Amino acid sequence: QSALTQPRSVSGSPGQSVTISCTGSSSDVGGYNYVSWYRQYPGKVPKMMIYDVNKRPSGVPDRFSGSKSGNTASLTISGLQAEDEADYYCCSFAGTSWVFGGGTKLTVL
Amino acid sequence: EAQLVVSGGGLVKPGGSLRLSCVASGFTFSSYSMNWVRQAPGKGLAWVSSMSSDSKYIYYADSVKGRFTMSRDNARNTLYLHMNSLSAEDTANYYCAKHCTDTVCLDFGGQGTLVTVSS
Repeated sequence: QSALTQPRSVSGSPGQSVTISCTGSSSDVGGYNYVSWYRQYPGKVPKMMIYDVNKRPSGVPDRFSGSKSGNTASLTISGLQAEDEADYYCCSFAGTSWVFGGGTKLTVL
Repeated sequence: EAQLVVSGGGLVKPGGSLRLSCVASGFTFSSYSMNWVRQAPGKGLAWVSSMSSDSKYIYYADSVKGRFTMSRDNARNTLYLHMNSLSAEDTANYYCAKHCTDTVCLDFGGQGTLVTVSS
C-alpha cells in the first residue's frame, strides 16, 4: 500500500501543455487499467477528471487526457487556463485496495 | 446525481473513539460498493477502507486495520466508520466515496467531515 509517486509541483504558462506523471508498480498502475485522476481546489471535494486511464467523465473538457505505459500513468493538460491551477491526484485500483499519488500542485504562471 | 453527506467528525482525545456516518441519495445505495478516503491537513488523499454492496467483503488500509470498522445499513442508505484508539495521525478530513457506475473508480459525492485528534 505504498503511495504512487507524483512530482510535487509542475507549472506552465497559459496556452501551454503540462504533463503530470504517476509511477506505481505492477501491483497497481501496471496491473490494472483502472487509473483515475482527480483535481482538487483548496478546501473543495476532489473532482474526477480522468478514469480508466484515458476516459473523460461527461463535462470534462478534452484538454484533459490520460495515458499509461507500464507502471507509469500520465495526465496531460493542454491549452492551460488559469482555472487549471489546483492540486492533482492520481489513483489506482490495486486488487483489494486503492492507492493514491502524493499529489501535484499545478501552477499556471 | 449521487449525493453523499458525511457527519460525525469533531475533536477527540488520543485513544478515544468516534463514529462517522455517510448518508447517500440520488442512486441505489444497496447496489454499490462504498469507500472511506481521508486527507490529513495539507496532505494528500489516502484510501482507508472499502466494503462491498452486501457487506460480505471489507478491506482496510494497514494504517487503520484493527482500529477502524466499516459497516453499512442498506435500509437506511447509510455507511458508517467506527474509529477506535485514535491518534494524532488520524487527524484528517474523511470523505465517503462510491464505486463508479460501470467501471472501477471512486466517485466522491460531497464534502467530508473533519476529525481532529488532540489532547
